[in-house]
Amino acid sequence: QVQLQQSGAELARPGASVKLSCKASGYTFTSYWMQWVKQRPGQGLEWIGAIYPGDGDTRYTQKFKGKATLTADKSSSTAYMQLSSLASEDSAVYYCARRGYDVYYFDYWGQGTTLTVSS
Amino acid sequence: DIQMTQSPSSLSASLGGKVTITCKASQDINKYIAWYQHKPGKGPRLLIHYTSTLQPGIPSRFSGSGSGRDYSFSISNLEPEDIATYYCLQYDNLYTFGGGTKLEIK
Repeated sequence: QVQLQQSGAELARPGASVKLSCKASGYTFTSYWMQWVKQRPGQGLEWIGAIYPGDGDTRYTQKFKGKATLTADKSSSTAYMQLSSLASEDSAVYYCARRGYDVYYFDYWGQGTTLTVSS
Repeated sequence: DIQMTQSPSSLSASLGGKVTITCKASQDINKYIAWYQHKPGKGPRLLIHYTSTLQPGIPSRFSGSGSGRDYSFSISNLEPEDIATYYCLQYDNLYTFGGGTKLEIK
């Protein structure tokens, strides 16, 4: 069965960087786009961007260009998102989600990683 | 960018009852809308895609309809496990989520 297992909660200092991970299993990792979504406390969901692990192609929404960097390791079927120059507004739950094959909606999601930015 | 206005932001209904949530897009999204159920501590669960197509394993109590800019999602015969927040997602042009609807059982 498809599973996306995300890394544990992170506490980071303002100005620092953090790298979140999403380990995929149960399907061919390189054949599906992996998405990243942000949810601030008490707020809705916001699409950050996506990566195609097969060739490393990436897409970012304008707001997150320069903030988020998406990578993928085919050998471990793991997708990563690095967030840089952290500020309090980066405190949120971050989800990875798989885009379905040959469709554009997200069919499976990870459980989320909570990032807290605080000094 | 396409905006999605979801309403209501919260609602309360009785077990066995029916609820309806709406999402209005800022432009025609050609029926490319999905609906998700989100429970605390978990990732969202896909219920419906392309307006009205149920994911395998999703009960027929869940349904969706709409076209153009206006879409709705309904749950009938409410059960305790339906307590969650529900989101719409447009995927016609990039991705935009609705603001969410928190469902409580009376």
